Amino acid sequence: DTAVSQTPKYLVTQMGNDKSIKCEQNLGHDTMYWYKQDSKKFLKIMFSYNNKELIINETVPNRFSPKSPDKAHLNLHINSLELGDSAVYFCASSQVQRARGYTFGSGTRLTVV
Amino acid sequence: GESVGLHLPTLSVQEGDNSIINCAYSNSASDYFIWYKQESGKGPQFIIDIRSNMDKRQGQRVTVLLNKTVKHLSLQIAATQPGDSAVYFCAEIGGTSYGKLTFGQGTILTVHP
Repeated sequence: DTAVSQTPKYLVTQMGNDKSIKCEQNLGHDTMYWYKQDSKKFLKIMFSYNNKELIINETVPNRFSPKSPDKAHLNLHINSLELGDSAVYFCASSQVQRARGYTFGSGTRLTVV
Repeated sequence: GESVGLHLPTLSVQEGDNSIINCAYSNSASDYFIWYKQESGKGPQFIIDIRSNMDKRQGQRVTVLLNKTVKHLSLQIAATQPGDSAVYFCAEIGGTSYGKLTFGQGTILTVHP
């Protein structure tokens, strides 16, 4: 059983479109995250939700909007996609008070053309 | 050998050799450090962790060394195998960061049979 699953795995779309990436975790963790990995493999946090509450919001364009309907799900919606949004997006989860056990999904490769 | 430049640092070794991957971190308030392995098309996978009150921790074939004086972390892999070929990242968490992982640059390890 996949612990952190995100869909879709690949997403190719045109500039200006709006798209969503979904993430679900079955580990019972209370915190979920979105990370972005750029073409140089650099990983950087975008958002974090703890029990459905936004607790980390890095300097991300407001075209990116996370939504957490419950503590097992964290979705990422992106409006008006730009070429520079092309990257791999990783969802992760953890028990925030116990950093051990941080688990990543397998990533969504977004390509904006 | 190891090289650092505009591209990701790379380390090439022969199967059976020991590998050492280095990482410099910036936040002296970080109290927990993790090494991750990322294979092509997958998310980062936990390898080993260490708390700031330790300077060495050993796992199966892996050892992490922490030097807080110079803010340096290293990962030693004994008897490296072709399956160890991947990108390796160090990451740090500070006490008040709500679980936010700050990643290092990453090192590409290539193991030749």
